[in-house]
Amino acid sequence: QVQLQQWGAGLLKSSETLSLTCAVYGGSFSGYYWSWIRQPPGKGLEWIGEINHSGSTNYNPSLKSRVTISLDTSKNQFSLKLSSVTAADAGIYYCAGISILEWSWGQGTLVTVSS
Amino acid sequence: DVVMTQSPLSLPVTLGQPASISCRSSQSLVHSDGNTYLDWFQQRPGQSPRRLIYKVSNRDYGVPDRFSGSGSGTDFTLKISRVEAEDVGVYYCMQGTDWLRTFGQGTKVEIK
Repeated sequence: QVQLQQWGAGLLKSSETLSLTCAVYGGSFSGYYWSWIRQPPGKGLEWIGEINHSGSTNYNPSLKSRVTISLDTSKNQFSLKLSSVTAADAGIYYCAGISILEWSWGQGTLVTVSS
Repeated sequence: DVVMTQSPLSLPVTLGQPASISCRSSQSLVHSDGNTYLDWFQQRPGQSPRRLIYKVSNRDYGVPDRFSGSGSGTDFTLKISRVEAEDVGVYYCMQGTDWLRTFGQGTKVEIK
């Protein structure tokens, strides 16, 4: 089973770019969708987007104009960039590795946005 | 977008008693490949979510057999046969049939 460890800046100002990275341990990149999911404070889960091992991406249309998910196979890492953040982007951001037989989660990163 | 609607949103249960959560989708979740990509997740307080059930009724590795999933088309159910204290948390259904994965609002399970 793959294990995921994520990191990135948790305190941002409005209009800045959120940048998070997730490292993959114990598995290969193929056969998985590498995803980002977020959870506003006290609310439910929202899928942000995903990338597969060949670099093909899908993004939530509600965020598509601001989101970039990328892959670095040499480092076994994938990353999220979300531009022009506002208070509405605050919450916990999770990376995830998704396959039919397995769904692994990162530990989550709390993102706070100040004006 | 496929809208996922869960009920109830809050579920107080007595230890040792069964619990049931409903999840309905705004359109059929049967994929063109014949599979139905409906998953259930558990999120304990302060923890990352954890997948319990995939493709309607398949338990993930290590998930206790008191958890079961059923349903078809647009109506799905997660059942806990006998609730234990460690089952407290929020449960989400999620569809993966459509390319845009969507979650239900969550059902909070608490002990009476």
